[in-house]
Amino acid sequence: EADIYQTPRYLVIGTGKKITLECSQTMGHDKMYWYQQDPGMELHLIHYSYGVNSTEKGDLSSESTVSRIRTEHFPLTLESARPSHTSQYLCASSESGLEQYFGPGTRLTVT
Amino acid sequence: GQNIDQPTEMTATEGAIVQINCTYQTSGFNGLFWYQQHAGEAPTFLSYNVLDGLEEKGRFSSFLSRSKGYSYLLLKELQMKDSASYLCAVRGLSGAGSYQLTFGKGTKLSVIP
Repeated sequence: EADIYQTPRYLVIGTGKKITLECSQTMGHDKMYWYQQDPGMELHLIHYSYGVNSTEKGDLSSESTVSRIRTEHFPLTLESARPSHTSQYLCASSESGLEQYFGPGTRLTVT
Repeated sequence: GQNIDQPTEMTATEGAIVQINCTYQTSGFNGLFWYQQHAGEAPTFLSYNVLDGLEEKGRFSSFLSRSKGYSYLLLKELQMKDSASYLCAVRGLSGAGSYQLTFGKGTKLSVIP
């Protein structure tokens, strides 16, 4: 059983608000990832990190930002939420390129 | 870049065998993963192939042919709980891409009685 957590699980918020989606893992994995997934669609990588103080943008352009100050923590922030940000956000971690373990996801709705 | 193709939907009968195909075109290849994702839930890891051939794990098997850019996931003795989306994902080869996965759109499998 993978130990990777995301909060909140569901979030409904108004346009223009600043939000932070939390992701934590207790496995000591150095690599962490954020994906965005719309219903019935594929996962798109939006951010990744290969260690503390290392973050990169993924294939899908995103207005969100991430930070990696501690190994176990990889939060994602939206400075000003818009309805186009409505989606499911999945966090994952892995050890040295092996399989990725996914958190339960945050389903975000921006009204 | 990566391009991954899977059938969108499949239906199979409880107790039967189903094969889900995945074809890929990549600029570099360093392994292929299969994940299962139930509706509204996170993907869970099923199998990994990096060399040609068949990997078996209980009711699930996965096959890879690197020269053909082809993989399949074989599910035996289907159960109702196997109704889910099955995601094919390819890992890149060089530099930063070697730890990233590119996912296909997934195949939604419906198991009927």
